[in-house]
Amino acid sequence: DVKVTQSSRYLVKRTGEKVFLECVQDMDHENMFWYRQDPGLGLRLIYFSYDVKMKEKGDIPEGYSVSREKKERFSLILESASTNQTSMYLCASRQTGLAAPPRKTDTQYFGPGTRLTVL
Amino acid sequence: SQQGEEDPQALSIQEGENATMNCSYKTSINNLQWYRQNSGRGLVHLILIRSNEREKHSGRLRVTLDTSKKSSSLLITASRAADTASYFCATDGGGLNFNKFYFGSGTKLNVKP
Repeated sequence: DVKVTQSSRYLVKRTGEKVFLECVQDMDHENMFWYRQDPGLGLRLIYFSYDVKMKEKGDIPEGYSVSREKKERFSLILESASTNQTSMYLCASRQTGLAAPPRKTDTQYFGPGTRLTVL
Repeated sequence: SQQGEEDPQALSIQEGENATMNCSYKTSINNLQWYRQNSGRGLVHLILIRSNEREKHSGRLRVTLDTSKKSSSLLITASRAADTASYFCATDGGGLNFNKFYFGSGTKLNVKP
């Protein structure tokens, strides 16, 4: 079974701090995603990466950056945390490529989430 | 935006009843997926239906897709208290835009024992 882990379940930071959220997957997936989830707004894509060192902005990238130095690890960075970044952050990974059965290439596997509070 | 929207936002039923949730989206898709989320946890994939399929079954789950109406429904039959969770539909961007997924804000299902 695919396992996606996130570095923390709960995190409390102060305004202006630099925050690192880490995500690791163990299935050699090419694609990795960072979402934030807020009540009434559903999941919104922040950034995704389709391969090592490759990244693409999602719908709400402002205030965030990402790093993908190794295939299994995708980091979300808040350069200077603000209170409006208090949210649940969800990481996901997905296999892609012509070699995989079509069904498996479309499913995203999610981590347990990190609930970040910025004071 | 492409974002899917679930309806209703909240649903409360008795154990044993069927639960139906609907999803609407705005542009063409390659596939539509349903996910489940227990309170405070990550999402778990339930079922995927492709744009050329009309109906899919998996255990007590039945998903339909009407691309002409840009809508899908998820039916959970003979619901159990353990089905209590939030349910989300997710669509891709259609065509070559298959790397991005768009989620709605979810239907919160409460199954009373």
